[in-house]
Amino acid sequence: EAQVTQNPRYLITVTGKKLTVTCSQNMNHEYMSWYRQDPGLGLRQIYYSMNVEVTDKGDVPEGYKVSRKEKRNFPLILESPSPNQTSLYFCASRELAGSTDTQYFGPGTRLTVL
Amino acid sequence: AQSVSQHNHHVILSEAASLELGCNYSYGGTVNLFWYVQYPGQHLQLLLKYFSGDPLVKGIKGFEAEFIKSKFSFNLRKPSVQWSDTAEYFCAVNAGDKIIFGKGTRLHILP
Repeated sequence: EAQVTQNPRYLITVTGKKLTVTCSQNMNHEYMSWYRQDPGLGLRQIYYSMNVEVTDKGDVPEGYKVSRKEKRNFPLILESPSPNQTSLYFCASRELAGSTDTQYFGPGTRLTVL
Repeated sequence: AQSVSQHNHHVILSEAASLELGCNYSYGGTVNLFWYVQYPGQHLQLLLKYFSGDPLVKGIKGFEAEFIKSKFSFNLRKPSVQWSDTAEYFCAVNAGDKIIFGKGTRLHILP
């Protein structure tokens, strides 16, 4: 089954404690993204990656890092989380082939930073 | 700057009413346009998309959208809504390599 998985699904942490949210896709897609969703603000792209070892900033990259060492994995790293990073995070994998452009979203990670 | 604007933040309709949700985008290049739906507690699912060709596109669950290039718009429509359409709807544009979402429209259908 084609899917995007994220872990953990829920996380409560404290300010300054480094954390990583993992994301994995089994569709061999080259393009992957991280978004955060906040009430009234919709989804905002944090980082995206167009292929292994290729990452670029989205609209709200401050305070986040990513890496793309393998095609299937795209972890999101918060080196020093702050309360304003409390949000719902979605990873997505994007199929780009010919006239196809479809994103597949993970189930989301709800992060609370105290 | 690239942006997507959804006109209605919260829409309340009765079952069987017709629906139109507005979406305008700001981007000078070639665009692909999308509408996503997010049911309560779930992740986003693709409703429909436009790449080229017929500007009227049909999606799942009876939804359709019309791309009007001169107006930079991609409005979502459904002739008769159901209670199960209660969800949040997001318009999105791919602007070059980035993907930009609107802020969403919460749709509440009264039974």
